[in-house]
Amino acid sequence: SQTIHQWPATLVQPVGSPLSLECTVEGTSNPNLYWYRQAAGRGLQLLFYSVGIGQISSEVPQNLSASRPQDRQFILSSKKLLLSDSGFYLCAWSVQFKETQYFGPGTRLLVL
Amino acid sequence: DQQVKQNSPSLSVQEGRISILNCDYTNSMFDYFLWYKKYPAEGPTFLISISSIKDKNEDGRFTVFLNKSAKHLSLHIVPSQPGDSAVYFCAASAISGTYKYIFGTGTRLKVLA
Repeated sequence: SQTIHQWPATLVQPVGSPLSLECTVEGTSNPNLYWYRQAAGRGLQLLFYSVGIGQISSEVPQNLSASRPQDRQFILSSKKLLLSDSGFYLCAWSVQFKETQYFGPGTRLLVL
Repeated sequence: DQQVKQNSPSLSVQEGRISILNCDYTNSMFDYFLWYKKYPAEGPTFLISISSIKDKNEDGRFTVFLNKSAKHLSLHIVPSQPGDSAVYFCAASAISGTYKYIFGTGTRLKVLA
């Protein structure tokens, strides 16, 4: 069966510090991968998606970036965090050309 | 512009009764819809989906209805159980291949014992 991992579960970072969140998927090959953010009291906002290694599409302008160095690894990064980057970050995957997305457990990021 | 709207931020229902969660959308190109359930500090869990070629899909206690002319879908939970208490998100997609979804802001359901 397929599983999706995210770490860390919780992160507290000072403003201006770098960020690296990692997501890995097991049990499937060539998945579509997604990064979402849920800000307090708001819905899920798609940040990035990837249909293959090195292929990243950005949905919203921001100071975050994403990379996919391996087929089942998706990384969310920032060089300098802002207060507004606080939120709950979710990684998701879907089978190529299939509809349902499956989410990881999420990372709660607090920028102080 | 919020293309997918869940206008009720919260809903309370007595155990055993029906819960009805609503979702409205504005983009007539949306052709696939999902419902997710989310507990605090966890990732959303997929519940049920519906394609625009159908107007109803049922899975156990969960039924999703789609009214394309009204651009409205609803999730019915019958009977409601305390374990159903969570935030429910609807999501819509109009882009094939990448399956990018637009999510609503969620409805918090509380099932009272």
